[in-house]
Amino acid sequence: DAGVIQSPRHEVTEMGQEVTLRCKPISGHNSLFWYRQTMMRGLELLIYFNNNVPIDDSGMPEDRFSAKMPNASFSTLKIQPSEPRDSAVYFCASSLVQGAGGYSNQPQHFGDGTRLSIL
Amino acid sequence: RKEVEQDPGPFNVPEGATVAFNCTYSNSASQSFFWYRQDCRKEPKLLMSVYSSGNEDGRFTAQLNRASQYISLLIRDSKLSDSATYLCVVIRLSGGSYIPTFGRGTSLIVHP
Repeated sequence: DAGVIQSPRHEVTEMGQEVTLRCKPISGHNSLFWYRQTMMRGLELLIYFNNNVPIDDSGMPEDRFSAKMPNASFSTLKIQPSEPRDSAVYFCASSLVQGAGGYSNQPQHFGDGTRLSIL
Repeated sequence: RKEVEQDPGPFNVPEGATVAFNCTYSNSASQSFFWYRQDCRKEPKLLMSVYSSGNEDGRFTAQLNRASQYISLLIRDSKLSDSATYLCVVIRLSGGSYIPTFGRGTSLIVHP
């Protein structure tokens, strides 16, 4: 079975440029998560979608960051304009969250990540 | 206090040793718990879920202590291949949504 697929694997760009990261979740999963990982801050949750709807975006650093999930099989994370401090590994993860009233005991599955360097 | 805390280590142990890590969490409404393993420059991979009754998978045992708000991971008979960073994740219910929070991870180095 295909896992979570992220692209690109690596991105190097100059500050000020727009960066778009892409994610295809595991088929059948209804929740998608974007994370950023750095040495200083560890793995931080940026935004979480459930059934394509953004549920919690409190982790999005600032207005330069935006995320969309137009359908159940695709999501993007955009940074515009990019800055050197945005350099990090960005992971996408998906899971199957149980219905309302119950609680989820389903783990997240991660993509390989995008290593982003802003010069 | 951070929502999820782990000792960063590194824990440096010889092959065959038994090693244990703890992960404390501050929100008593936390509902689901997992351990992940992350190798250098790789993505986190699920190691095991953590249940109230405790669970075991080969050399790995996970425990949950709700009263003291921590989870633990025990690795017996350590192998060189166990060298990695171990991340705990705590999922809490907030406003009808399930919010995961990862710890910073504990580094384990198993040497010959």
